[in-house]
Amino acid sequence: QKEVEQDPGPLSVPEGAIVSLNCTYSNSAFQYFMWYRQYSRKGPELLMYTYSSGNKEDGRFTAQVDKSSKYISLFIRDSQPSDSATYLCACLYAGGTSYGKLTFGQGTILTVHP
Amino acid sequence: SQTIHQWPATLVQPVGSPLSLECTVEGTSNPNLYWYRQAAGRGLQLLFYSVGIGQISSEVPQNLSASRPQDRQFILSSKKLLLSDSGFYLCACSRAENSPLHFGNGTRLTVT
Repeated sequence: QKEVEQDPGPLSVPEGAIVSLNCTYSNSAFQYFMWYRQYSRKGPELLMYTYSSGNKEDGRFTAQVDKSSKYISLFIRDSQPSDSATYLCACLYAGGTSYGKLTFGQGTILTVHP
Repeated sequence: SQTIHQWPATLVQPVGSPLSLECTVEGTSNPNLYWYRQAAGRGLQLLFYSVGIGQISSEVPQNLSASRPQDRQFILSSKKLLLSDSGFYLCACSRAENSPLHFGNGTRLTVT
């Protein structure tokens, strides 16, 4: 079993739709959770960084963490064609021998149609 | 803010040839540095990480090596490339062990 599981999709939605992207994780030591967006042939770009359970909002993006269920989500409101990309979730635990190493999900390919 | 420079952006090399990919970081001191490889399936595999000059840890035994000759310079090398070394190589840095990673724009390596 992978430590971080993410549905690879692909996911295709019309412009303006609400998008829900999800990951589950198995390591209860994970404390920090991130979402990255990656356009084709580019490096991943950090979208959201959260620590505690609950919601964090930034513009059209909302990250949600439920540590009791080991479930993390990213919601995109009013989706735009420019949101078409691969979205990667990542988990991190600090301390010990972690050295800041992230564990990534496989990524979900999202296409938003005009 | 941190800026990560990687070059070259694209590279085509024959099997058995050497490899040297360079990454430099601006905007932070004593960062943690990482090399990841991303295969066609989109997952990111951690190859090496470094918490300081000359300190390299390998996550996956393979045909590659890494070095950190200066605080903000990270180099990925191979003496003889294999076909299986093809992929998208990403350099990343973080300021502290509980900080998010920031990535460069990668090098797409094709071994022929």
